[in-house]
Amino acid sequence: EIVLTQSPGTLSLSPGERATLSCRASQSVSSSYLAWYQQKPGQAPRLLIYGASSRATGISDRFSGSGSGTDFTLIVSRLEPEDFAVYYCQQYGTSPQTFGQGTKVEIK
Amino acid sequence: EVQLVESGGGLVQPGGSLRLSCAASGFTFSNYAMTWVRQAPGKGLEWVSSFSSSGSSAYYADSVKGRFTISRDSSQSTLYLLMNSLRAEDTALYYCAKNFASGIYSNMDVWGKGTTVTVSS
Repeated sequence: EIVLTQSPGTLSLSPGERATLSCRASQSVSSSYLAWYQQKPGQAPRLLIYGASSRATGISDRFSGSGSGTDFTLIVSRLEPEDFAVYYCQQYGTSPQTFGQGTKVEIK
Repeated sequence: EVQLVESGGGLVQPGGSLRLSCAASGFTFSNYAMTWVRQAPGKGLEWVSSFSSSGSSAYYADSVKGRFTISRDSSQSTLYLLMNSLRAEDTALYYCAKNFASGIYSNMDVWGKGTTVTVSS
C-alpha cells in the first residue's frame, strides 16, 4: 500500500498569505494519479486538483498543484477566508487507493 | 445538476448488517465508476471500495474485504454497499462519490453528503 504523508499537520496563516502544502508518497505514484481535496467542517470533500496539476471545474486559479513521483505540492497563492479548511491528498493509481492524513489550514 | 444522495445508515449492533444506497442523478450513471469513502468521527478520509462502470472490476480496502460488497443498478442509477459482520471500527460517515472516468483508477469529482453508520451495542 502506498502511504501518503502530508506536512505540515497544521498551517497557521493570515488571509492574503501563500499556503504551501506537501504530500510525500512511500513509493512512486503511478502516472501522477494524485488528487487534492478540500474539506470544510460538516461538508463533503471537494475536488481541487487531479492528475497532480489539473484544476477541477470551477476551481479558482489561486489553487495550483505540482509534483511527480513521490513528491507533490499544493499551493494556495493568496488565502481567502473561505480557503481555511482541511486539505487531503489522494493517490488513485494503485489499489488500494489511499489518502494522506490531511493538513489543516487555520487562521492565524 | 449532478447529485448523489446516500441513505441507509443507522445504528447497528456489532456483527450486524446494513445496506447503504446512493441515488445518482444529473449524469449518465452507467458511464462512470463509483466509489465509497468513509470518515470516522474526527478522523481523515479512508477509501472503502470502488466499482467500475461496467461492473467488471470491484476493489476493496483490506479492512472491509470479505465483509462488504459493492454493487450497482444502472437501471435505477443507484450504487449500493452491503456491509456484513460490522465492527465498532466501521463507525463512520460514509460518502458515495462519482469517479471522473469509467475505470476505478480515477479521482472522485462529485461527492454526496454522506450517511452515518454507528456500530454499537
